[in-house]
Amino acid sequence: DAMVIQNPRYQVTQFGKPVTLSCSQTLNHNVMYWYQQKSSQAPKLLFHYYDKDFNNEADTPDNFQSRRPNTSFCFLDIRSPGLGDAAMYLCATSTDGYEQYFGPGTRLTVT
Amino acid sequence: RKEVEQDPGPFNVPEGATVAFNCTYSNSASQSFFWYRQDCRKEPKLLMSVYSSGNEDGRFTAQLNRASQYISLLIRDSKLSDSATYLCVVKGGYGNKLVFGAGTILRVKS
Repeated sequence: DAMVIQNPRYQVTQFGKPVTLSCSQTLNHNVMYWYQQKSSQAPKLLFHYYDKDFNNEADTPDNFQSRRPNTSFCFLDIRSPGLGDAAMYLCATSTDGYEQYFGPGTRLTVT
Repeated sequence: RKEVEQDPGPFNVPEGATVAFNCTYSNSASQSFFWYRQDCRKEPKLLMSVYSSGNEDGRFTAQLNRASQYISLLIRDSKLSDSATYLCVVKGGYGNKLVFGAGTILRVKS
């Protein structure tokens, strides 16, 4: 029973073409996170929602945006993907910032 | 200096071996510590939390040394299925977020 679901699992987009990645959860957790992970690197936190409060990391490029229309769903929008944005994008959830549960990730390729 | 540092490995060990990983963290205010396991092209999964008194879960033992700011993971009787990347994770630093190390690669061979 998947608890954190990410769609699509694989996404190919063209340079500069906007793309949206989605995450949904059945855990009713109040915190949702988006991480970027490049090959052989640690997951890097982009931003998170604590309930409806959006928290952006200082070094997250403006090219990355997020929306959380309700508790269950969270979206990552990349407005103009560059080649350097090719990575695995991981969504995670938690209750009040405790143990985080990760989704399977979306692997983004930029051509 | 990175907030969480790990030896990237890879550690190549035979089945049945005992292997240990260390991790150091820079923020003395960190409050919680974890080991996550990540298989190739998969998401990280929590392996175990790390407590000051040390804790054990089957073949896995984790220890925390606050004075020296390092965390260790010991795997006994390694199995082929233990092959993965092990991520050291620290919480409670700046912004009370999870900070991940880059991971240590373990390869267990028959």
